[in-house]
Parts: sequence; C-alpha cells; structure tokens
Amino acid sequence: LAKTTQPISMDSYEGQEVNITCSHNNIATNDYITWYQQFPSQGPRFIIQGYKTKVTNEVASLFIPADRKSSTLSLPRVSLSDTAVYYCLVGPHQTGANNLFFGTGTRLTVIP
Amino acid sequence: DGGITQSPKYLFRKEGQNVTLSCEQNLNHDAMYWYRQDPGQGLRLIYYSQIVNDFQKGDIAEGYSVSREKKESFPLTVTSAQKNPTAFYLCASSRTGTSIGNEQFFGPGTRLTVL
Repeated sequence: LAKTTQPISMDSYEGQEVNITCSHNNIATNDYITWYQQFPSQGPRFIIQGYKTKVTNEVASLFIPADRKSSTLSLPRVSLSDTAVYYCLVGPHQTGANNLFFGTGTRLTVIP
Repeated sequence: DGGITQSPKYLFRKEGQNVTLSCEQNLNHDAMYWYRQDPGQGLRLIYYSQIVNDFQKGDIAEGYSVSREKKESFPLTVTSAQKNPTAFYLCASSRTGTSIGNEQFFGPGTRLTVL
C-alpha cells in the first residue's frame, strides 16, 4: 500500500499560485496519483489525476517527475473559495478500494 | 440531476442502539464505498462494494455492517459493537471499482452523534 506524506497546512494570499507537494516513495508501477478537495462538512471532490509528467485541467495542474516518488498539485491564482483540505491519493484503482488511502491532507488557507 | 444522497444529515442516537445510515446513487455506478471521518482527520474506509450482492471490509469494518441488494443503494449499519461511533460518515460511488483512473463521487455526509 503506497501511503503518502503531505504538509499539514499551508497559507497563501489571494491571487498567488499555490503548490502542494505529496511524497509517495513506495508508489507501484500500476499506481495512479489522484487529488481531492474537501470543504468543511462536505464530501471530497475529485480535482485531478495523473500517471506521469504533467496533467492540466480547468482547475489545476499536476506535475509528476520521472521517478514518480512525489507529485505537486498546482492551483493558479487562488481565491478565498479555494480554502479547503487537499488530499493526495495513490492507488491501483483496478484492484479495489482497499488500496485507496486518504491521509490527513493539507489544509490550505487563502488569506485576503 | 445525477448524484449521491445521504440521509439524514444529522443523526442522534443513544448508546447501545443500532442505527442505519442511508446512501443512494442514481449515477448507475457499480462501486460504492463508506468512509468515516473524525475531526481533523482524513477519511478511513469502512466497507466497499464493487458490484451488487458483494462487499468487502475496509480498514475499520469492526462494529459496522452493510448490504448491497440493489445497485443504487448501500446502507451502513452502525452497531452497538462500534466503540466510538460518533463521527462524520461519507458515502461514495465510482463507475467501477476495478478500472484505472476511476474517480469517486461523494455524498454530503451524515454526522452521527451517539449520546
């Protein structure tokens, strides 16, 4: 089971780019990297997923180096509404949910 | 609108009573999941089901039970054997439980308080 390590918390000013790094040293060949966002008293919401190199969607970018032992979620020009907890998950979805592990996540606070 | 519903949003029960949390999805997803979240903590997997009439224990299944008699429904029973049942319970579903890259869609959660 590839567990992950993320910073517990981060602060950023509005309008800045935020990068949250996740370490997953034991990532397996068939593991994907997925990021979720969670607001208080709500369920997590899928943000982005990748396997290697770079993935970009309308919300964020995900950077994965060649060794895949870490990944960085990049949020461009954050706003107050981006204040949330961000979870990095690593797992082979094809073998069942037992391999999905939500750690404590990174609590991002956006400051006006 | 397609989505996942959980009811009720808040639930209070006396210690020693069993309680069942509802989870329904109309996304036509095969896989469904139950997580528990304690204050300031991440999510922990209780049970999951990849297909109707089949389910598997997650990391913290003791004191919980589930059933999956219909594709759209995956109720969770918190039994009196669960030592610390007060928590935020989240239900999720995904298109399948066995495909690469399957995102999970979460319900709004049920906050259970045992008095």
